Amino acid sequence: DADVTQTPRNRITKTGKRIMLECSQTKGHDRMYWYRQDPGLGLRLIYYSFDVKDINKGEISDGYSVSRQAQAKFSLSLESAIPNQTALYFCATSDLHRDEQYFGPGTRLTVT
Amino acid sequence: SQKIEQNSEALNIQEGKTATLTCNYTNYSPAYLQWYRQDPGRGPVFLLLIRENEKEKRKERLKVTFDTTLKQSLFHITASQPADSATYLCALDGSNDYKLSFGAGTTVTVRA
Repeated sequence: DADVTQTPRNRITKTGKRIMLECSQTKGHDRMYWYRQDPGLGLRLIYYSFDVKDINKGEISDGYSVSRQAQAKFSLSLESAIPNQTALYFCATSDLHRDEQYFGPGTRLTVT
Repeated sequence: SQKIEQNSEALNIQEGKTATLTCNYTNYSPAYLQWYRQDPGRGPVFLLLIRENEKEKRKERLKVTFDTTLKQSLFHITASQPADSATYLCALDGSNDYKLSFGAGTTVTVRA
């Protein structure tokens, strides 16, 4: 079983709709992250959380919100989706005592 | 402004040769630098981490160097194989706060 899972894997939605992307992990890591990836731009950090009560904005948080429901679950919401939020979204985790990150398989989101 | 720049061109090499990828950064003072591999449609996978006080790190056919004076890391794949074909991302923690900033990646294609 995958250590970091994301649902859905693919989603097409319309402008103005609310959508939630979910991330679950079985690695027991405290730190969790949400990134988006656009061609030619690399991964950009949206939000991150270092424990259940800790939520922080990344470099591109406008238009997004997150919820850390438990140590293992971190959800990303788009309150009112817009076409320029079309991208590949990745969740990642890391351990308190190590610096490398472990990524989920990604969610391909298309906003029409 | 802060920048992380990787080889702008994709790299096409013959099997058995060494691939050398560059990662240059501006206006960061990273405590460490990481390299990840990303296959199409999948999440990045951690490969190597090198700290600011380390000049070189090796793992099997991979070698990473880190020159904080030049603000550059080199990533080498020796005795390359077609299975090494992927996009390689460099990432660094510029603020010593467990948040990574990523380069856009370099796509490597190894021809049999």
